[in-house]
Amino acid sequence: QQQVKQSPQSLIVQKGGISIINCAYENTAFDYFPWYQQFPGKGPALLIAIRPDVSEKKEGRFTISFNKSAKQFSLHIMDSQPGDSATYFCAASLLRGDMRFGAGTRLTVKP
Amino acid sequence: DVKVTQSSRYLVKRTGEKVFLECVQDMDHENMFWYRQDPGLGLRLIYFSYDVKMKEKGDIPEGYSVSREKKERFSLILESASTNQTSMYLCASSFRGLLVYEQYFGPGTRLTVT
Repeated sequence: QQQVKQSPQSLIVQKGGISIINCAYENTAFDYFPWYQQFPGKGPALLIAIRPDVSEKKEGRFTISFNKSAKQFSLHIMDSQPGDSATYFCAASLLRGDMRFGAGTRLTVKP
Repeated sequence: DVKVTQSSRYLVKRTGEKVFLECVQDMDHENMFWYRQDPGLGLRLIYFSYDVKMKEKGDIPEGYSVSREKKERFSLILESASTNQTSMYLCASSFRGLLVYEQYFGPGTRLTVT
C-alpha cells in the first residue's frame, strides 16, 4: 500500500509550458516533503524540498505548493524545457529520516 | 561531492543463489538505506540503518537481510534469490540529526534472477 500517492503516471508538455505533478499522503507524522528527479541510468537526486510549516517554496523554475489541511503537495515546473524530461518522485519523510516515495511521474517535454 | 557507490551496475543470478549487494558512501553519513525500484511502484524501502550494527525494517523486508559492520558500508543480502526479486536496487545515505536531511543515491544495481 502506497503511503504517498502520486499522479499522473506520465505527462507530456510542450516546451515553455507548465508541468504539474500532484501528491497526497495520509500520515500526519511526515515532516519533510522532497521532490527527486531521476534521469535514465542514474539514481534519483534531490530537486527541491519543503517543510509543513511553509505553504510554498520556489527555486528557479521549480515550485512546491503545500496544503497541510488537505495533506497534498504539488510540483510546478514553469517554462518547461526538454532537459527537464525525467522521472519525478515525490516523497515524505519521518523525523528519523526514512522516506516513503510516490510511484513516479515520467515527464516528457516536447521541443 | 558526495559519492555513493554500488558494487555492480548489472548482476545476473540464478534462483536460489545467495546474493550480496554492496554500498559504500564517503560522506560520513549516519543513515543508510536500501530501496528497490519497480515501474509503477516507485521506490520501496527495504531496510535502513541509522548507525553501525543497527537496522530497521522498511516496508518490504521479506526475503532480504542487511549488514552494517562499518559506518561507510551497507550490504543488502538476498538469502535465496527468487525471480520476483528481479529489480533495480538503489542505495542511499544521509546525515542524521534533529532535522531530516537530503538522501544521496547511488546509480543502482539492476539485478536479474533467472
